[in-house]
Amino acid sequence: QQQVKQSPQSLIVQKGGISIINCAYENTAFDYFPWYQQFPGKGPALLIAIRPDVSEKKEGRFTISFNKSAKQFSLHIMDSQPGDSATYFCAASRDSGGSNYKLTFGKGTLLTVNP
Amino acid sequence: ETGVTQSPTHLIKTRGQQVTLRCSSQSGHNTVSWYQQALGQGPQFIFQYYREEENGRGNFPPRFSGLQFPNYSSELNVNALELDDSALYLCASSFTVATEAFFGQGTRLTVV
Repeated sequence: QQQVKQSPQSLIVQKGGISIINCAYENTAFDYFPWYQQFPGKGPALLIAIRPDVSEKKEGRFTISFNKSAKQFSLHIMDSQPGDSATYFCAASRDSGGSNYKLTFGKGTLLTVNP
Repeated sequence: ETGVTQSPTHLIKTRGQQVTLRCSSQSGHNTVSWYQQALGQGPQFIFQYYREEENGRGNFPPRFSGLQFPNYSSELNVNALELDDSALYLCASSFTVATEAFFGQGTRLTVV
């Protein structure tokens, strides 16, 4: 059972454009939603994360939009650069309670930013 | 760099063999989680260790086992290797169980 569905599978954007990656989750107990960036041969690196008490979080060129009622969240990369070319994963976890904390990942989006 | 180091970086094993992967957590972190990432897929949770005790397990068979040591480093052991065990194995450490997870670079395991 895939609890976090991510789309699109791949995305090609021109330099300076906006990259948008979407995720939907099923488990309403999830309360922590991070995005990870992974370059080939490297482990995932935490990019930005949001909790459901806010609808949007922005850090530099990266913004997470969160829609609790629709159980959806998305990553927007403004002014996309060739160096942003990587695989992006959304994830979700149940953070409250402090037990059995685990990340459930989407399948990933391969982003290519053309110069 | 996250400060989480894994060894070895690459490994080739034969089906039926056993393998041990190692992870050194970031300084000050007492929680280590292990994930399996198949090619083209997102990481899947194997298990988590908190202060040397297993603190949750994903849908992996018992031949996947682990340890956490007093210095909070960790091992992942896989017995009776199968071809489908070929994957990138990721270790993530966190300050405690419900805080941000920082991943190592992974160990690429190939089972032939």
